[in-house]
Amino acid sequence: GAGVSQSPSNKVTEKGKDVELRCDPISGHTALYWYRQSLGQGLEFLIYFQGNSAPDKSGLPSDRFSAERTGGSVSTLTIQRTQQEDSAVYLCASSLGAGENTEAFFGQGTRLTVV
Amino acid sequence: AQSVTQLDSQVPVFEEAPVELRCNYSSSVSVYLFWYVQYPNQGLQLLLKYLSGSTLVKGINGFEAEFNKSQTSFHLRKPSVHISDTAEYFCAVTIDTGGFKTIFGAGTRLFVKA
Repeated sequence: GAGVSQSPSNKVTEKGKDVELRCDPISGHTALYWYRQSLGQGLEFLIYFQGNSAPDKSGLPSDRFSAERTGGSVSTLTIQRTQQEDSAVYLCASSLGAGENTEAFFGQGTRLTVV
Repeated sequence: AQSVTQLDSQVPVFEEAPVELRCNYSSSVSVYLFWYVQYPNQGLQLLLKYLSGSTLVKGINGFEAEFNKSQTSFHLRKPSVHISDTAEYFCAVTIDTGGFKTIFGAGTRLFVKA
């Protein structure tokens, strides 16, 4: 596609429910990132994919968070048993991922509200 | 461990005044450096980048940044700001550790006052 697409754009869920957030990166981009942006907290790194593998999962806040990427393209971030502190904007970015081609292109984000 | 530090969380400045947003990084390997901007209610977009060559790089909207390897800094500057420059600015570092990982700073909110 022309840009990084994230869905849904907004999600309101009840505490304790599971949610899935989707990211469609730019076609041909091998690297994919998930970040979380909370009010006043800046960008928090969650996980990084190179192809389908995740060499760095160090940013996932707890074992309730998981992510996968299939076919070197679409990625899904899953949050199980959501808590109110999970409320944030979840941003996905992709890049060509090698050498000097590491500029990240961001999606518009998914705003998650846990009530 | 690699990290990016933006020294100011908020920078208020009057219109037409100069501004500098500071960024320091720590890394023992070669890096690529970026500044991104996020305007209110919009996504992040690239402002400028340093890959190699001249240490002074120019970006969009009159911004520039200088890479200082000895001080491990990449400060962003603009000689005269406009109200429309009000936004959140993020410094980022991409590190080659066998794969490429991009680390962002916490952001600096620039608030331009009339």
